[in-house]
Amino acid sequence: GQQLNQSPQSMFIQEGEDVSMNCTSSSIFNTWLWYKQDPGEGPVLLIALYKAGELTSNGRLTAQFGITRKDSFLNISASIPSDVGIYFCAGQVNTGKLIFGQGTTLQVKP
Amino acid sequence: ETGVTQTPRHLVMGMTNKKSLKCEQHLGHNAMYWYKQSAKKPLELMFVYNFKEQTENNSVPSRFSPECPNSSHLFLHLHTLQPEDSALYLCASSQESQPSAKNIQYFGAGTRLSVL
Repeated sequence: GQQLNQSPQSMFIQEGEDVSMNCTSSSIFNTWLWYKQDPGEGPVLLIALYKAGELTSNGRLTAQFGITRKDSFLNISASIPSDVGIYFCAGQVNTGKLIFGQGTTLQVKP
Repeated sequence: ETGVTQTPRHLVMGMTNKKSLKCEQHLGHNAMYWYKQSAKKPLELMFVYNFKEQTENNSVPSRFSPECPNSSHLFLHLHTLQPEDSALYLCASSQESQPSAKNIQYFGAGTRLSVL
């Protein structure tokens, strides 16, 4: 079946550093979404991407929809302690179904 | 607050118990979803409802029984579960379930289920 490979699985960084994570697949997606999940909570939408090549920012977050429609990346600039959590990518396929990556666990050292 | 409310937040049940999870969305959406989230695994889609009609059952065992009485409410009835069913169960809603920009899914906080 369709799968997303999300990397890295985990990151431990110093406050103020920039972070980059990505998702790749052998399948084409119509929409890419990035979610963040805090402990004990459900995923919260960060950024939605609708067109190949699209680059979108949300504060310190920037995400891009790969030109091949098979990948996406998320960058976080100048990380702060509240950026801690699990980040998920999700791709929407032709049926409307979302396929999720395995998640990237981010820890930020003050 | 995402506009999707799940109750209870935590549930412990024995393998012979019957319990139900509840989800309510206040976003005016027409599609609702149940997902299972286990440690170290991607979110697994279980069921999709669109305008109260079930449109997807992702090969879920019959011990999980969904119910969608209206577009705002979704239930997951549980009976004779197994310990491996312990997980975080997430509900989500979207404006519609078809492939479009209107299929952005908003999640509840989940129910943490432990089966003893």
